[in-house]
Parts: sequence; structure tokens; C-alpha cells
Amino acid sequence: SQKIEQNSEALNIQEGKTATLTCNYTNYSPAYLQWYRQDPGRGPVFLLLIRENEKEKRKERLKVTFDTTLKQSLFHITASQPADSATYLCALDDTGTASKLTFGTGTRLQVTL
Amino acid sequence: GAVVSQHPSRVICKSGTSVKIECRSLDFQATTMFWYRQFPKQSLMLMATSNEGSKATYEQGVEKDKFLINHASLTLSTLTVTSAHPEDSSFYICSARDSLAGVGETQYFGPGTRLLVL
Repeated sequence: SQKIEQNSEALNIQEGKTATLTCNYTNYSPAYLQWYRQDPGRGPVFLLLIRENEKEKRKERLKVTFDTTLKQSLFHITASQPADSATYLCALDDTGTASKLTFGTGTRLQVTL
Repeated sequence: GAVVSQHPSRVICKSGTSVKIECRSLDFQATTMFWYRQFPKQSLMLMATSNEGSKATYEQGVEKDKFLINHASLTLSTLTVTSAHPEDSSFYICSARDSLAGVGETQYFGPGTRLLVL
């Protein structure tokens, strides 16, 4: 069966460190993989999209890698700040249109001073 | 960036009543909008794809007669939960794709609507 797995345990890190979140998937062949941020009681906010032929994508303090052999994406936040505390969701599309997204359950990140 | 709004943000209703939730794309046109549902500590689950001017496409297990979707214009989709029951209490989130965006461009999500059925 198809699965998208994110670490359900909260990730606690100290301010200034790099946070690394993992997204593993099985029985998908995604053309695109996306990362979203979701704050409590709010809708997801788009962060980054990476295509299957891209190994890495960066945006300011964010970096995403996409390994289609390992079926894994890593999401890094460098120089983390308390304001980065939120739940981070990965989402896959294997229809080739980035339209029909399937979401992982998300990983809660808590950045402390 | 593109903005999607939802109304209401929160609604409490009695069991058996119907509730309508609106989703609007404020600064772009969206031929396709999506409706998701999210239970506490769970992932977003796609309920249906709303297509402007045509019938919505529902995901497996979602009752189309219970969750009525209307996409009457390029900027508005509505979800009506008919004869709501306590088990329908959830966080409903819509998203929209810019019609002019290329393939692979992302969806923009609304802020969500919290529904509580008593």
C-alpha cells in the first residue's frame, strides 16, 4: 500500500542549530514533492517544491533534498529560530501535475532558546 | 503571494443542520479548487476536487450527497455539509491552483474552517 511517513515524534532543537526533518514514501513515483508549514488552527503554507529530476533546492534558510532511489526527502532549516516552531508537512504528487497532493502526517518542530 | 480565503473561520451547529463553507481565491482565478479535511493530529485528507463549471470529483469513501460542492465561478467554491453530525466535526481546508500557473506549480491553501457539530 502507499505510505508517506514523517517522524510523528516532535523534534526539539536549540535556537541556531540546523533542524532536519525526514519524509519517506513507499509505492509512489512522485513527479513533485512539496513541503508545507502548518501552524495550529491554520491552513498549510507552501515552502518549497522539488521535482524528481532535482537533487536539491534552496530558499533562504531552507534546503530540501530529494532522493528518488531512497524514496526520501530531507528538509533542513539552518540557523533555526523559535519562530520556526510549527508542524512541517511533506506532500507528494504522482500524477505529474502537482494537483492531487497526498500529505504526510507532519513533524512538529519546537525550537527553544 | 496568492491569497485564498475561507468563510466562516469557525462554525458551531446543531446535529442535523447544514453548513456552507466558502472558499475564495482573492487575487487569481482558479479553475480547480480542492477540499481537504483534517482531524486532530492527523494529516490532511483530500475529499474532492472542485472544477469550475462542472461536477466535483470525490475521493473514495467521501459521500457526494453529504458533501455538496459547487464551483460556480473562477474565484469561488463552496462546500455544504448536509445534515451534519458530530462525526463531521473537523477542520476543513480548501486550496486553489492558479489557472495561469504552469504544470507543477503549487496550490495555495485557505486558513481553514473549524466545524463543531453538537
